[in-house]
Formats: sequence, C-alpha cells, structure tokens
Amino acid sequence: EDQVTQSPEALRLQEGESSSLNCSYTVSGLRGLFWYRQDPGKGPEFLFTLYSAGEEKEKERLKATLTKKESFLHITAPKPEDSATYLCAVQANSNYQLIWGAGTKLIIKP
Amino acid sequence: KAGVTQTPRYLIKTRGQQVTLSCSPISGHRSVSWYQQTPGQGLQFLFEYFSETQRNKGNFPGRFSGRQFSNSRSEMNVSTLELGDSALYLCASSLAGYTGELFFGEGSRLTVL
Repeated sequence: EDQVTQSPEALRLQEGESSSLNCSYTVSGLRGLFWYRQDPGKGPEFLFTLYSAGEEKEKERLKATLTKKESFLHITAPKPEDSATYLCAVQANSNYQLIWGAGTKLIIKP
Repeated sequence: KAGVTQTPRYLIKTRGQQVTLSCSPISGHRSVSWYQQTPGQGLQFLFEYFSETQRNKGNFPGRFSGRQFSNSRSEMNVSTLELGDSALYLCASSLAGYTGELFFGEGSRLTVL
C-alpha cells in the first residue's frame, strides 16, 4: 500500500537553529514528491517538486532533497516567519492521485 | 493574478442538512480538485474535475458530490450531514491536472452540530 510518513509531528526551534524534517514514502514507482507549507487557517502553498533520487531544490532558507525512500526538508537559520505546518505528498506512476503525509508543525521561537 | 477563491469561508450546519461549497479556480486553470482536511485524517482527496467531467474520485460516500461548470468553477455538495463531516474543505486548481503542483484556496470551514 502506498503511504507517506512525516516526522517529527512537531518541532520547536530557536531562531537561527537549523534542522531537518523527514518524509518517508512507500510507493510503487514514484512519479513525483511534493512539499507544501500551510499556515493556520490557510490552504497549502506549493514549495518544491522532486522527481528522482539525488535531486535537490532550494528556496531561501529551505532545501529539499530526495532519496529512493525518503525526502528531507532542511531549514537553515530559520526565522519566526518560517513557522508553519510542512506537508509532503507523493504521486505514483500508476495513479495521479496525491498521497499526503500528516505534516510536521514547525515552531520557530525568536 | 487572482488566486483560488472559495466561498463561503465559514459555515455552521446541523446534522441532516446539506451544504454546497463553491470554488473559482485561477483563470485559465481547467482542473479543480477537492480535499477534506481534518486533524485526525489529514488531507483526504475527494474528487477531481476537468472540463466539466469527474476524472478521479477518492474513497468517500455518495453523500459527497461535485460538479464543474463550463467556466471551470466548481461546486461540491454534501447531503445528510454528519458530525464527522466537520472539516476544512479545500479546493485546488491546476492548468490540466495530473500534477502535484496545485494552487489551493483558503478553504471552507464547515462545522456540523
């Protein structure tokens, strides 16, 4: 069964303290892996797409990486405005429907 | 460029009633997907419409239905509401679907009493 597991469920960091969020997946043929950010009371906002192992994407303080079994979202020197829930989703070759993880709630304290 | 617009943003209904939610996609986007988001289940796919046709459907009961109009605007309907239907209902649009790069609206928060 295709599934996505994100860890940790919640992460509290001090401003400037770098860390990583994990997205482990099991899918029969990966078409793509997607990272989103969701602020409270808002819809998810698309961040990155990764297609193959070894691929990396960067945007400001965020960098997403992909292996054959998991993806990491690295956050470097985070600021309070990076506080949000980060969602990971995968899409299989056999089915275009997205499978979503439960998300990691990131809190950055000033 | 206007984003995805969902109405109403908040609504309260009682068990047994029905509700209709509306979604206006980004101009030019022809694919509209609907998701239910709850704290316990996360994001669950409801259905996807493209050019007025339902192209994909999630594992929800028949009480959940939708449609898409010729201008790509979409509506979803939930009949005979149950307490467990309380959730944030999100609409997402894309140019042609079959992609994980979606543009979401802010959602409609439904509370069933």
